[in-house]
This record gives sequence, C-alpha cells and structure tokens, in this order.
Amino acid sequence: AQSVTQLDSQVPVFEEAPVELRCNYSSSVSVYLFWYVQYPNQGLQLLLKYLSGSTLVKGINGFEAEFNKSQTSFHLRKPSVHISDTAEYFCAVRETSGSRLTFGEGTQLTVNP
Amino acid sequence: EAGVVQSPRYKIIEKKQPVAFWCNPISGHNTLYWYRQNLGQGPELLIRYENEEAVDDSQLPKDRFSAERLKGVDSTLKIQPAELGDSAVYLCASSLGPLGTDTQYFGPGTRLTVL
Repeated sequence: AQSVTQLDSQVPVFEEAPVELRCNYSSSVSVYLFWYVQYPNQGLQLLLKYLSGSTLVKGINGFEAEFNKSQTSFHLRKPSVHISDTAEYFCAVRETSGSRLTFGEGTQLTVNP
Repeated sequence: EAGVVQSPRYKIIEKKQPVAFWCNPISGHNTLYWYRQNLGQGPELLIRYENEEAVDDSQLPKDRFSAERLKGVDSTLKIQPAELGDSAVYLCASSLGPLGTDTQYFGPGTRLTVL
C-alpha cells in the first residue's frame, strides 16, 4: 500500500521569498506523483504531476517539483511567492498499475506581506 | 468547459437525519469519485465509478452510506442516518478514465455539519 507524508503542516513565509513544501512517499511499486492546491472553500486544483521522464516538473503559477526516487521525495518549490499563493497544498501518490489516489495531510502555506 | 458541479455547497442537519449530495462530472468523463475530507486532513476515497458501475467501494461505510450513478453521468451520495462524525467536506471528482495518468478534476465540495 502507498502512503504520503507531508513533513510540514504549516509554512509561513514573507512575500517574494522562496518556499519549499516537502513530501515523502512510500510504495513498493512505481508511482505517479501529484501536487494539488486548495483555496478556501474551493475544491482541489492540480498544480503539477510527475508521470515519467524528466524528474523536474513545472506546473502552473510558477511552481515546480523534483522527483527523487532514491529519497522517495517529491518536494514542491517556488522561487518567489505571492500573497495569492496562500492556500493548502496536498501531495498525492498513485501506483502506476492502480487507480487509487492517496493524499498527504496537507501543508498550509501562508504568505505574509 | 464547465468543471465538476456539486450541490448543495453547504448543509447543516441534526444527527440521525438523512442527507444527500449531488455531483455532475465534466462532460465525457467516465470515471467519477467521491472523497471525504475531514478537517485538517487530505481527501480519502469513498467510492469510484466506471460509468455506472461502482468498481471500488471498499472505503464506503455501507451501513449508512449509499451512492448511485444512474446512466453513468450524475451521481448522488447519501447518508442515512447521519452521525456527528460525518461532519466533513464531501468532494466529487471526475476523470476521463481510471488510468494513473488520467488527471482527476475536483468539484468545490459540500461542507456537511451534523449537529
């Protein structure tokens, strides 16, 4: 069975600072990896996904993530955050042969002026 | 293109009452999911449909929860009777198919409060 651990429940940063949201996963087979963002009172929106190929994945809103198989990690980064990036971010994993998406518990990113 | 539509957005009921949630997936999406998101946690899958067939309902508490997807389009999730612990956000998602490469698109959710 797969699992996801988001290492920080809350990350406060100042506007225009860089940010990294950490995600580790566990699975005995090959996986696909995803980052979703959830704004208050809204559903989840896909930021980016790793399916295969280059381990550096670029997504929407200037976010990127790097898949590290040896460390079983998929950390999300942005070089300069905006107030509007304040939201809950969820890392998720899905086995390549399966259909169930397993989410982490989320990281609340708060960008302060 | 319209996204996943859910209604109602909010629902407050007393315990032991029934409640139902409705979901209209993105047009052409054959796979539909219902998730429950407890406060401060990530979504957890309740049930997955391929067209009108429930193919993964192992996480659905079948003593009080039921779901249907008539004609393979809209879906309804029902709780009867509701318990205090059912307070959560219920999310519907859809995808073209069940493959791991198929992106799941989420609706805004229904926030249920059981008093």
